[in-house]
Amino acid sequence: DAKTTQPPSMDCAEGRAANLPCNHSTISGNEYVYWYRQIHSQGPQYIIHGLKNNETNEMASLIITEDRKSSTLILPHATLRDTAVYYCIVVPGGSQGNLIFGKGTKLSVKP
Amino acid sequence: DAGVIQSPRHEVTEMGQEVTLRCKPISGHDYLFWYRQTMMRGLELLIYFNNNVPIDDSGMPEDRFSAKMPNASFSTLKIQPSEPRDSAVYFCASRQGQGRDTQYFGPGTRLTVL
Repeated sequence: DAKTTQPPSMDCAEGRAANLPCNHSTISGNEYVYWYRQIHSQGPQYIIHGLKNNETNEMASLIITEDRKSSTLILPHATLRDTAVYYCIVVPGGSQGNLIFGKGTKLSVKP
Repeated sequence: DAGVIQSPRHEVTEMGQEVTLRCKPISGHDYLFWYRQTMMRGLELLIYFNNNVPIDDSGMPEDRFSAKMPNASFSTLKIQPSEPRDSAVYFCASRQGQGRDTQYFGPGTRLTVL
């Protein structure tokens, strides 16, 4: 079973920041938080991952709380193309890194 | 690189027929994964390979499903005989190295079994 909890859906206005929360209260010390997204009819796409420090790349920022029990994915200026299902996944660091997908959050970016 | 390539993109077949889905991973990637996605069950891992060797097939639903990876650049997922409940989108993904490396997904094959 997935180790994360995400809201089933969220809306965001185009051009505004989209903040997607994820709860992973049972995360252990060597487990990473990964985010993937799936645009309709496409394969999932990697966005970002982190262990305990905040991370930023060209797509998004990842904010992980100090106790690591939750995180937030931030899309700083959402566009219509960011409409997708966003998956938060916990991956053990020493494992084969297999991904267990939950139901994710359906983000709808509206004009 | 062209990314992960899957064929066919769409397959419609009749119950009882054999179905073969194909995947070409990204060159240099030594892990290959097969997933299935349905509305009811979401995205599920079926099987994965490391250096062409099947490592974990615990997600394969039943004996009607089989997967092979004869070389580093090609894998197949076969369903024989197919059933309507096998209708789903099947994704192939590849990864370079272990653990935390990124998985890259193909565009998927949409299978419809009538």
